[in-house]
Amino acid sequence: GAVVSQHPSRVICKSGTSVKIECRSLDFQATTMFWYRQFPKQSLMLMATSNEGSKATYEQGVEKDKFLINHASLTLSTLTVTSAHPEDSSFYICSASDSSSNQPQHFGDGTRLSIL
Amino acid sequence: SQQGEEDPQALSIQEGENATMNCSYKTSINNLQWYRQNSGRGLVHLILIRSNEREKHSGRLRVTLDTSKKSSSLLITASRAADTASYFCATGGGGGNKLTFGTGTQLKVEL
Repeated sequence: GAVVSQHPSRVICKSGTSVKIECRSLDFQATTMFWYRQFPKQSLMLMATSNEGSKATYEQGVEKDKFLINHASLTLSTLTVTSAHPEDSSFYICSASDSSSNQPQHFGDGTRLSIL
Repeated sequence: SQQGEEDPQALSIQEGENATMNCSYKTSINNLQWYRQNSGRGLVHLILIRSNEREKHSGRLRVTLDTSKKSSSLLITASRAADTASYFCATGGGGGNKLTFGTGTQLKVEL
């Protein structure tokens, strides 16, 4: 089945650091990728939708200058949390979709971000 | 918010028992999906039911959909300890469209 690889799985860093998370589709063309944030024991909240080669569409309340998204190829999207602070600590999950099909989205295994 | 509601929020059962989770949503849909999330992991797609379907089976999973009530249920029969996870319903998706997730049910299956 389709595989999405997300890296790193866990990051612990100091306040003020910028952190980059990668999301790769390994065996299909991910024309659209989604980035979610999940707090403990809560559901996934969509942060932004990115289409290959174009600017990401951010959900209301998500700071685009804080969460930089790049989707430069059909297999890779990155989320950079800039100047991270403790309140940015969370579980971030990506998913990928081939918009030419009606197949379900495929999810990465998530990144646990802890800002000290 | 378009987020759907799921109940119960948490469910604890013994191995071998059946587990039923319910999902309600707010807008008209083309399909509804159920996902599973093991602790600290990503989501795994379980089953998709289209708006013109009323029931669908996959192994030990049975999903129903009532579009008149804007609700769906997921039944896991003969549960196993390995079924312990969070389960989410979601609407939307497909063709590059975004998913809207329900609040989730945390299922614990005890030996």
